[in-house]
Amino acid sequence: DAKTTQPPSMDCAEGRAANLPCNHSTISGNEYVYWYRQIHSQGPQYIIHGLKNNETNEMASLIITEDRKSSTLILPHATLRDTAVYYCIVRGAGTASKLTFGTGTRLQVTL
Amino acid sequence: GAVVSQHPSWVICKSGTSVKIECRSLDFQATTMFWYRQFPKQSLMLMATSNEGSKATYEQGVEKDKFLINHASLTLSTLTVTSAHPEDSSFYICSARDGGRGGNQPQHFGDGTRLSIL
Repeated sequence: DAKTTQPPSMDCAEGRAANLPCNHSTISGNEYVYWYRQIHSQGPQYIIHGLKNNETNEMASLIITEDRKSSTLILPHATLRDTAVYYCIVRGAGTASKLTFGTGTRLQVTL
Repeated sequence: GAVVSQHPSWVICKSGTSVKIECRSLDFQATTMFWYRQFPKQSLMLMATSNEGSKATYEQGVEKDKFLINHASLTLSTLTVTSAHPEDSSFYICSARDGGRGGNQPQHFGDGTRLSIL
């Protein structure tokens, strides 16, 4: 599975949009981009995933560039409860494919 | 939404004890479950992939005789840490994917088990 690169940390003011970037320049055609977050001392929480089209759900939006080499997770109105480590992971579609976690981005939402 | 339940949430035991952790998919059938381990201030590391009705596949460097995995049904996988020692103290997290809905379905995670060996 392709590796990803994320900034180690970011800050965001509460109420503002948080835009978390991810580079995955070696992604192949059948690999999806998944985003998870982990709040301290909890298991990871699924946020969103996509293949090539932009996706939106009740938690976030996922913007994938046309060449699919990078993506951005957008939390439209960050709250203090969004403070967490966010992981961008690329994974193939096969049932045996595994999620391999990198170091992620530590998002700190402040007042 | 998909729910994965993990039990116990924390356990403290003496060195040499064996500890069993259960992972259940509550509202879907999981032909594949995954076990991860996370040390403080580090990311999750995949230990093994558990397939229903067959032997687990372990990642390189993970001792299969130390970390026994059983996936006897489509909703339950167990991880047993045998003869645990202080260096086995860690946060263990299971994950499952709804195998009946295609290969791109997301994995869902339990809330983890914090294991402390004295």
